[in-house]
Amino acid sequence: EPEVTQTPSHQVTQMGQEVILRCVPISNHLYFYWYRQILGQKVEFLVSFYNNEISEKSEIFDDQFSVERPDGSNFTLKIRSTKLEDSAMYFCASSPEETQYFGPGTRLLVL
Amino acid sequence: SQQGEEDPQALSIQEGENATMNCSYKTSINNLQWYRQNSGRGLVHLILIRSNEREKHSGRLRVTLDTSKKSSSLLITASRAADTASYFCATVSVSAGNNRKLIWGLGTSLAVNP
Repeated sequence: EPEVTQTPSHQVTQMGQEVILRCVPISNHLYFYWYRQILGQKVEFLVSFYNNEISEKSEIFDDQFSVERPDGSNFTLKIRSTKLEDSAMYFCASSPEETQYFGPGTRLLVL
Repeated sequence: SQQGEEDPQALSIQEGENATMNCSYKTSINNLQWYRQNSGRGLVHLILIRSNEREKHSGRLRVTLDTSKKSSSLLITASRAADTASYFCATVSVSAGNNRKLIWGLGTSLAVNP
């Protein structure tokens, strides 16, 4: 059964560094999402992507964040200058219509 | 806004018993989805119920939706130790359009004791 994959599974970085989180959505899905979950807190929506453009972004998704679908299969989330509070589990999801299928997540730790 | 508040926050039962988790939400929804998360792992989709549906079944799972009360429940029958996980409800609001972002609750932590 097709799955959403994410790499890396863990990333440790220094504050101020750039990180790129990668996702391979399920092929033929049309909608793509990034969410994050800070330890012990709710899952939070970051951004949705449809038809090769951002369809909605949350207040969290400020100028430090960007998304790309560079080659029609990968879907990346870039954080330009990481802050301590960016430490979280980041989940990618894709959807053909309604149901969203999640990847295993990338655990990001900013020191 | 806080959408999708689950209760109880934690539930501990014995294997074989049924587990019921509830979720309340605030805005009008298009659909409500239940997910499961094993400790520190990914989110696994369990079931989706649309706003015009009242009940859905999938294996040992039964989900109900009461749009007049803005609430949903997830029932796991004949629980197993492997059902131990956190369970989340997430909603897509009517106003979402093509965005369909999920708004999440804090989840219920279920422990099934062998």
